Amino acid sequence: LQLQESGPGLVKPSETLSLTCTVSGDSISTNDYYWVWIRQPPGKGLELIGSIYYTGSTFYNPSLKSRVSISVDTSKNQFSLRLSSVTAADTAVYYCARGRRSRTYYFDYWGQGTLVTVSS
Amino acid sequence: QTVVTQEPSFSVSPGGTVTLTCGLNSGSVSTTYYPSWYQQTPGQAPRTLIYSTNTRSSGVPDRFSGSILGNKAALTITGAQADDESDYYCVLYMGSGLWVFGGGTKLTVL
Repeated sequence: LQLQESGPGLVKPSETLSLTCTVSGDSISTNDYYWVWIRQPPGKGLELIGSIYYTGSTFYNPSLKSRVSISVDTSKNQFSLRLSSVTAADTAVYYCARGRRSRTYYFDYWGQGTLVTVSS
Repeated sequence: QTVVTQEPSFSVSPGGTVTLTCGLNSGSVSTTYYPSWYQQTPGQAPRTLIYSTNTRSSGVPDRFSGSILGNKAALTITGAQADDESDYYCVLYMGSGLWVFGGGTKLTVL
């Protein structure tokens, strides 16, 4: 299984950050997994942004909920992140990951991450 | 607000044993939180070490072990090696598709 993030590396303040994660090696339409976005500001720790199930059910970090939208496109085996009204504090490496949800709950595969800088 | 606590930093001598812990501001960590541990070196994506409290991920050396110690989850490294010098993150599952990360522990091997 491989996950690959893609999207702009530079976003202007107040605009919307958009990223896509392409999953290869397995179908995104499986019962046993959540598909997850995680971020890491430079020099800081990891933070869950939210997750989505292949049916489209979403679960968001309460601290970001008002600005986040995660969607899934099963026909393309992709899921996407939109984060609105970004500021410099949203500058981070953004990772997509697969989260197990059957009998155990953890991240078993990670993308390599993509740096998104918020700057004018 | 749920806060997962980890030691900010720890130091261990080569060949030594170190135990990193993972606590919860609202109470005790138990197996029902499915504690997992991840290792991250600079510039790399995290690597899964331990899940479901004490199950090693594929390819992880047996010098890494997980447990519940008292009211915290714990990651023990026995016989630390130089390349174990990394950041270690604990993650707890809160239900409903949401996890919470600890702040991470920076481990130095010297």
